[in-house]
Amino acid sequence: QKEVEQNSGPLSVPEGAIASLNCTYSDRGSQSFFWYRQYSGKSPELIMSIYSNGDKEDGRFTAQLNKASQYVSLLIRDSQPSDSATYLCAVNENYGQNFVFGPGTRLSVLP
Amino acid sequence: DTAVSQTPKYLVTQMGNDKSIKCEQNLGHDTMYWYKQDSKKFLKIMFSYNNKELIINETVPNRFSPKSPDKAHLNLHINSLELGDSAVYFCASSAEIAGGDLETQYFGPGTRLLVL
Repeated sequence: QKEVEQNSGPLSVPEGAIASLNCTYSDRGSQSFFWYRQYSGKSPELIMSIYSNGDKEDGRFTAQLNKASQYVSLLIRDSQPSDSATYLCAVNENYGQNFVFGPGTRLSVLP
Repeated sequence: DTAVSQTPKYLVTQMGNDKSIKCEQNLGHDTMYWYKQDSKKFLKIMFSYNNKELIINETVPNRFSPKSPDKAHLNLHINSLELGDSAVYFCASSAEIAGGDLETQYFGPGTRLLVL
């Protein structure tokens, strides 16, 4: 069974620190990788997408992909209390026929 | 303007009833999805619908049926509701089902279903 795994947390970091969120996936055929943020009671919203090995940076966010290790991560620099949310890793395999979300990691940024 | 909208926002109903949730997107996207998020916050895809091709998650009971009157709408009909159907249901859309950034999914606000 294809799976996407994340530490459920909560992950607590002080304001201004770097938050590191990790995700592993089981299917080597996976082609597209996404990080979504979900505030409590709200819908998921896209933070980053990444498709090839290496790093991709967007503002305070950096996504890292290592297909050989089946691992994708999200780094949040200069964490802010407003970053406190659940972060969902999502993997799209087989041209959309198997889009799988991980269970999410709850991040708490302490002022 | 709301990109992906759902109605109703809240739905409380009795076991055994039939109900529908409506979804509309004004983004001009070709693909729409339905997700279920249970009490443990696990988000699971139920259906994707692209160019009249329906891809069903085989774990979804056949009491659930998506209906698409046109490209901008994908409604979810649920027959014989059960207690375990209580969850938040999210509709989403994307420009393409595969294709780099075009795969990005935009989610609706969710419908909170409670079956008593």
